[in-house]
Amino acid sequence: SQTIHQWPATLVQPVGSPLSLECTVEGTSNPNLYWYRQAAGRGLQLLFYSVGIGQISSEVPQNLSASRPQDRQFILSSKKLLLSDSGFYLCAWRSQGDQPQHFGDGTRLSIL
Amino acid sequence: KQEVTQIPAALSVPEGENLVLNCSFTDSAIYNLQWFRQDPGKGLTSLLLIQSSQREQTSGRLNASLDKSSGRSTLYIAASQPGDSATYLCAVSSNNDMRFGAGTRLTVKP
Repeated sequence: SQTIHQWPATLVQPVGSPLSLECTVEGTSNPNLYWYRQAAGRGLQLLFYSVGIGQISSEVPQNLSASRPQDRQFILSSKKLLLSDSGFYLCAWRSQGDQPQHFGDGTRLSIL
Repeated sequence: KQEVTQIPAALSVPEGENLVLNCSFTDSAIYNLQWFRQDPGKGLTSLLLIQSSQREQTSGRLNASLDKSSGRSTLYIAASQPGDSATYLCAVSSNNDMRFGAGTRLTVKP
Protein backbone atom coordinates (compact mmCIF):
# COMPACT_ATOMS: atom_id res chain seq x y z
CA SER A 1 0.00 0.00 0.00
CA GLN A 2 1.02 3.58 -0.52
CA THR A 3 2.06 5.89 2.30
CA ILE A 4 3.15 9.50 2.50
CA HIS A 5 5.50 10.92 5.10
CA GLN A 6 6.07 14.53 6.07
CA TRP A 7 8.52 15.89 8.58
CA PRO A 8 8.95 17.56 10.87
CA ALA A 9 5.46 17.64 12.42
CA THR A 10 6.08 21.01 14.03
CA LEU A 11 8.73 23.64 13.51
CA VAL A 12 9.47 26.99 15.16
CA GLN A 13 11.85 29.22 13.24
CA PRO A 14 13.05 32.82 13.59
CA VAL A 15 12.39 35.37 10.86
CA GLY A 16 15.14 35.32 8.26
CA SER A 17 16.17 31.72 8.84
CA PRO A 18 16.13 29.06 6.08
CA LEU A 19 13.54 26.34 5.72
CA SER A 20 13.47 22.81 4.40
CA LEU A 21 10.39 20.59 4.66
CA GLU A 22 10.53 17.12 3.22
CA CYS A 23 7.84 14.84 1.87
CA THR A 24 8.31 11.28 0.62
CA VAL A 25 5.89 8.79 -0.86
CA GLU A 26 6.22 5.03 -0.70
CA GLY A 27 4.55 2.27 -2.66
CA THR A 28 4.01 4.07 -5.95
CA SER A 29 6.05 5.41 -8.82
CA ASN A 30 5.87 8.67 -10.78
CA PRO A 31 3.25 10.26 -8.55
CA ASN A 32 1.98 13.79 -8.97
CA LEU A 33 3.14 15.68 -5.88
CA TYR A 34 1.69 18.79 -4.27
CA TRP A 35 2.51 21.33 -1.56
CA TYR A 36 -0.32 23.27 0.08
CA ARG A 37 -0.44 25.87 2.82
CA GLN A 38 -3.37 26.29 5.16
CA ALA A 39 -3.41 29.56 7.07
CA ALA A 40 -5.40 29.76 10.30
CA GLY A 41 -9.14 29.75 9.57
CA ARG A 42 -8.64 29.63 5.83
CA GLY A 43 -8.79 27.07 3.05
CA LEU A 44 -5.90 25.25 1.43
CA GLN A 45 -3.78 27.21 -0.99
CA LEU A 46 -1.91 25.25 -3.65
CA LEU A 47 1.73 26.36 -3.64
CA PHE A 48 3.53 23.95 -5.98
CA TYR A 49 2.89 20.79 -7.90
CA SER A 50 5.15 18.40 -9.76
CA VAL A 51 4.36 15.78 -12.40
CA GLY A 52 7.91 14.41 -12.57
CA ILE A 53 11.51 14.68 -11.40
CA GLY A 54 12.79 18.22 -11.79
CA GLN A 55 9.39 19.51 -12.99
CA ILE A 56 7.92 22.15 -10.69
CA SER A 57 4.90 24.36 -11.31
CA SER A 58 4.38 27.34 -9.04
CA GLU A 59 0.90 28.62 -8.37
CA VAL A 60 1.63 31.88 -6.60
CA PRO A 61 4.68 34.13 -6.39
CA GLN A 62 6.12 33.88 -2.91
CA ASN A 63 9.10 33.49 -0.68
CA LEU A 64 9.15 29.72 -1.12
CA SER A 65 10.54 27.26 -3.65
CA ALA A 66 10.11 23.56 -4.28
CA SER A 67 12.31 20.84 -5.68
CA ARG A 68 11.88 17.22 -6.67
CA PRO A 69 15.31 15.60 -6.67
CA GLN A 70 13.93 12.06 -6.75
CA ASP A 71 10.75 10.47 -8.07
CA ARG A 72 9.07 10.18 -4.67
CA GLN A 73 10.66 13.09 -2.83
CA PHE A 74 9.30 16.62 -2.74
CA ILE A 75 11.03 19.41 -0.80
CA LEU A 76 9.71 22.83 0.17
CA SER A 77 12.37 25.44 0.88
CA SER A 78 13.00 29.05 1.71
CA LYS A 79 16.23 31.00 1.98
CA LYS A 80 14.80 33.58 4.40
CA LEU A 81 11.52 33.03 6.22
CA LEU A 82 8.98 35.83 6.67
CA LEU A 83 6.35 36.14 9.40
CA SER A 84 3.71 35.58 6.73
CA ASP A 85 5.14 32.13 6.01
CA SER A 86 3.57 30.79 9.20
CA GLY A 87 0.94 28.15 8.62
CA PHE A 88 0.14 24.50 8.24
CA TYR A 89 1.94 22.92 5.29
CA LEU A 90 0.54 19.82 3.68
CA CYS A 91 2.06 17.51 1.12
CA ALA A 92 -0.13 15.35 -1.09
CA TRP A 93 0.17 12.85 -3.91
CA ARG A 94 -1.94 11.13 -6.50
CA SER A 95 -1.18 8.74 -9.31
CA GLN A 96 -3.03 10.53 -12.12
CA GLY A 97 -5.30 13.54 -12.55
CA ASP A 98 -8.50 11.54 -12.16
CA GLN A 99 -7.39 9.60 -9.09
CA PRO A 100 -7.95 10.61 -5.45
CA GLN A 101 -5.42 12.79 -3.73
CA HIS A 102 -3.84 11.58 -0.48
CA PHE A 103 -2.38 13.83 2.18
CA GLY A 104 0.41 13.67 4.70
CA ASP A 105 -0.08 14.65 8.34
CA GLY A 106 1.24 18.17 7.79
CA THR A 107 3.90 20.43 9.29
CA ARG A 108 2.88 23.28 11.54
CA LEU A 109 5.35 26.11 10.97
CA SER A 110 5.54 29.04 13.38
CA ILE A 111 7.73 32.02 12.61
CA LEU A 112 8.91 34.16 15.53
CA LYS B 1 -9.73 30.30 -12.65
CA GLN B 2 -11.67 27.72 -10.64
CA GLU B 3 -13.27 28.98 -7.44
CA VAL B 4 -14.80 26.68 -4.86
CA THR B 5 -17.30 27.80 -2.24
CA GLN B 6 -18.66 25.86 0.71
CA ILE B 7 -21.81 26.68 2.60
CA PRO B 8 -22.37 26.87 5.50
CA ALA B 9 -19.03 27.83 7.04
CA ALA B 10 -20.07 26.22 10.32
CA LEU B 11 -22.87 23.92 11.37
CA SER B 12 -23.95 22.59 14.75
CA VAL B 13 -26.49 19.78 15.03
CA PRO B 14 -27.71 17.38 17.71
CA GLU B 15 -26.66 13.76 17.48
CA GLY B 16 -28.79 11.62 15.21
CA GLU B 17 -29.73 14.31 12.71
CA ASN B 18 -29.25 13.94 8.99
CA LEU B 19 -27.40 16.85 7.42
CA VAL B 20 -26.23 18.24 4.10
CA LEU B 21 -23.06 20.14 3.32
CA ASN B 22 -22.86 22.15 0.12
CA CYS B 23 -20.05 22.83 -2.32
CA SER B 24 -20.19 24.92 -5.50
CA PHE B 25 -17.60 25.54 -8.18
CA THR B 26 -17.38 28.00 -11.05
CA ASP B 27 -15.81 25.97 -13.87
CA SER B 28 -17.64 22.77 -14.84
CA ALA B 29 -14.63 21.39 -16.78
CA ILE B 30 -13.43 19.14 -13.97
CA TYR B 31 -11.88 15.68 -13.68
CA ASN B 32 -13.42 14.86 -10.35
CA LEU B 33 -14.55 16.20 -7.00
CA GLN B 34 -13.27 14.91 -3.70
CA TRP B 35 -14.63 15.32 -0.16
CA PHE B 36 -12.19 15.33 2.74
CA ARG B 37 -12.41 15.37 6.49
CA GLN B 38 -9.90 17.32 8.60
CA ASP B 39 -9.62 16.98 12.36
CA PRO B 40 -8.02 19.90 14.26
CA GLY B 41 -4.27 20.10 13.66
CA LYS B 42 -4.30 17.07 11.39
CA GLY B 43 -3.95 16.31 7.72
CA LEU B 44 -6.81 15.55 5.36
CA THR B 45 -8.56 12.21 5.14
CA SER B 46 -10.25 11.36 1.86
CA LEU B 47 -13.92 10.45 2.24
CA LEU B 48 -15.36 10.16 -1.25
CA LEU B 49 -14.24 10.78 -4.80
CA ILE B 50 -16.75 11.42 -7.59
CA GLN B 51 -15.50 11.28 -11.16
CA SER B 52 -16.87 13.85 -13.58
CA SER B 53 -18.95 11.15 -15.31
CA GLN B 54 -20.60 10.03 -12.07
CA ARG B 55 -23.59 11.46 -10.23
CA GLU B 56 -22.99 10.12 -6.74
CA GLN B 57 -20.85 7.98 -4.47
CA THR B 58 -21.72 6.32 -1.19
CA SER B 59 -19.63 5.10 1.72
CA GLY B 60 -21.42 3.97 4.85
CA ARG B 61 -23.43 6.88 6.23
CA LEU B 62 -21.98 9.28 3.67
CA ASN B 63 -23.41 10.07 0.26
CA ALA B 64 -21.92 12.60 -2.10
CA SER B 65 -23.64 13.87 -5.23
CA LEU B 66 -22.31 15.81 -8.19
CA ASP B 67 -24.16 18.01 -10.66
CA LYS B 68 -21.40 19.16 -12.94
CA SER B 69 -23.57 21.29 -15.20
CA SER B 70 -24.74 23.45 -12.31
CA GLY B 71 -21.38 23.36 -10.54
CA ARG B 72 -22.68 21.81 -7.32
CA SER B 73 -21.95 18.94 -5.00
CA THR B 74 -23.52 17.91 -1.73
CA LEU B 75 -22.28 15.69 1.07
CA TYR B 76 -25.09 13.99 2.95
CA ILE B 77 -24.35 12.56 6.40
CA ALA B 78 -26.99 10.27 7.83
CA ALA B 79 -27.61 9.74 11.53
CA SER B 80 -24.80 12.06 12.61
CA GLN B 81 -22.58 11.11 15.55
CA PRO B 82 -20.28 13.17 17.82
CA GLY B 83 -17.34 11.47 16.09
CA ASP B 84 -18.38 13.15 12.85
CA SER B 85 -17.33 16.50 14.31
CA ALA B 86 -14.59 17.88 12.06
CA THR B 87 -14.06 20.27 9.18
CA TYR B 88 -15.26 18.96 5.83
CA LEU B 89 -13.53 20.17 2.70
CA CYS B 90 -14.48 19.73 -0.92
CA ALA B 91 -11.87 19.91 -3.65
CA VAL B 92 -12.28 20.12 -7.40
CA SER B 93 -9.66 18.64 -9.68
CA SER B 94 -8.94 20.14 -13.08
CA ASN B 95 -5.91 19.12 -15.12
CA ASN B 96 -3.02 18.72 -12.68
CA ASP B 97 -4.16 20.95 -9.86
CA MET B 98 -6.81 20.87 -7.19
CA ARG B 99 -8.83 23.77 -5.73
CA PHE B 100 -10.28 23.62 -2.26
CA GLY B 101 -13.20 25.27 -0.58
CA ALA B 102 -12.67 26.92 2.81
CA GLY B 103 -14.54 24.08 4.50
CA THR B 104 -17.56 23.56 6.73
CA ARG B 105 -16.84 23.12 10.42
CA LEU B 106 -19.31 20.56 11.74
CA THR B 107 -20.10 20.04 15.41
CA VAL B 108 -22.36 17.16 16.42
CA LYS B 109 -23.58 17.53 19.98
CA PRO B 110 -24.27 14.44 22.10
